[in-house]
Amino acid sequence: QKEVEQDPGPLSVPEGAIVSLNCTYSNSAFQYFMWYRQYSRKGPELLMYTYSSGNKEDGRFTAQVDKSSKYISLFIRDSQPSDSATYLCAMRSGGSYIPTFGRGTSLIVHP
Amino acid sequence: GAGVSQTPSNKVTEKGKYVELRCDPISGHTALYWYRQSLGQGPEFLIYFQGTGAADDSGLPNDRFFAVRPEGSVSTLKIQRTERGDSAVYLCASSSPLGSGANVLTFGAGSRLTVL
Repeated sequence: QKEVEQDPGPLSVPEGAIVSLNCTYSNSAFQYFMWYRQYSRKGPELLMYTYSSGNKEDGRFTAQVDKSSKYISLFIRDSQPSDSATYLCAMRSGGSYIPTFGRGTSLIVHP
Repeated sequence: GAGVSQTPSNKVTEKGKYVELRCDPISGHTALYWYRQSLGQGPEFLIYFQGTGAADDSGLPNDRFFAVRPEGSVSTLKIQRTERGDSAVYLCASSSPLGSGANVLTFGAGSRLTVL
């Protein structure tokens, strides 16, 4: 079993939908949680990061962390075709500077 | 530079050949990372530098893989006796000095390696 599990999808939604992307993890030492977006043939770019549990909002994006369930989520409101990409979750413990990545979820937002 | 630069963007080689992949990090970033991403998978950690030294090389799959960062800036990932299974996108990332926040990584576009 991998430390970080993420459903690869693809997840296909109509424009304007609310999208929910999720990851589960097994290492209770993880404290920093990140979401990256990766377009085809590009490197991952950071969308959001969260420390410990709770919610964080940035525009149309909301990140949630539930450490008791070892479950993190990224919500995208009013999804746009330009949001079509692979979304990678990543996480690391406080004692490490090396993030562990999920395999990514492919999102397709169709007009 | 403004971002992380990786060269070449694409490399096709034959099985058994030697390959070098170069990474030029963001100026002032002391930490540098190499990850490998296979098709349909997330980035897999290879090696992490803090300054000139390899702080953690536990992700290197075997002794055919080696990386250097002699002056604490540009890094080169070296792969000897390439195998078809080495085909992947090799991603480089850098981050700002330790203690400056969440240590968020900024990635380059990657070097796509194809071993025939």
